[in-house]
Amino acid sequence: GEDVEQSLFLSVREGDSSVINCTYTDSSSTYLYWYKQEPGAGLQLLTYIFSNMDMKQDQRLTVLLNKKDKHLSLRIADTQTGDSAIYFCADPLGGYNKLIFGAGTRLAVHP
Amino acid sequence: KAGVTQTPRYLIKTRGQQVTLSCSPISGHRSVSWYQQTPGQGLQFLFEYFSETQRNKGNFPGRFSGRQFSNSRSEMNVSTLELGDSALYLCASSLSGSGDTDTQYFGPGTRLTVL
Repeated sequence: GEDVEQSLFLSVREGDSSVINCTYTDSSSTYLYWYKQEPGAGLQLLTYIFSNMDMKQDQRLTVLLNKKDKHLSLRIADTQTGDSAIYFCADPLGGYNKLIFGAGTRLAVHP
Repeated sequence: KAGVTQTPRYLIKTRGQQVTLSCSPISGHRSVSWYQQTPGQGLQFLFEYFSETQRNKGNFPGRFSGRQFSNSRSEMNVSTLELGDSALYLCASSLSGSGDTDTQYFGPGTRLTVL
């Protein structure tokens, strides 16, 4: 069935790296996405990875994809207080723009 | 280029009433999708429209409906509101919505509270 799972909470110290993990059940999607949601706001597209890639780097963000294990991760280097938010991984396996979202990982950054 | 806009940003209604939410996509985008976000159920897909046609629908009752106009703007309607309809309703637009390769951009959402 359609399922995307994430751990619910992550706490890191400012300046450290954060790693947010996601597992998905369907591996047929061409892209997998990461979105960020700040309090009271909509979803901001952070990055995405093409399914034939293992890794994608975009400034402080690194996405790793392990298709064999159906595992996706988002690494944020030098995490700042402004990175505090909820992070969602999303799989468009539903077709025609039906994104299946994980429950979201709440990232708390403390000094 | 302006982003996805949603109006109104906040709404308070009472049970049994109906409500209409509006979404204007990014200029040039022809696909509009709607999602409901609640603390209990998370983000759930409602439906998607392209060229005024509904192409995909989630598992929501018939009280939830939508439409898209020729300028790609979209509205969603919820009739006979229930307390459980209280949620953040998010609209997303994309260029063509072709399969799984078309990136969706989200608006700020409409926060609906049903009393």
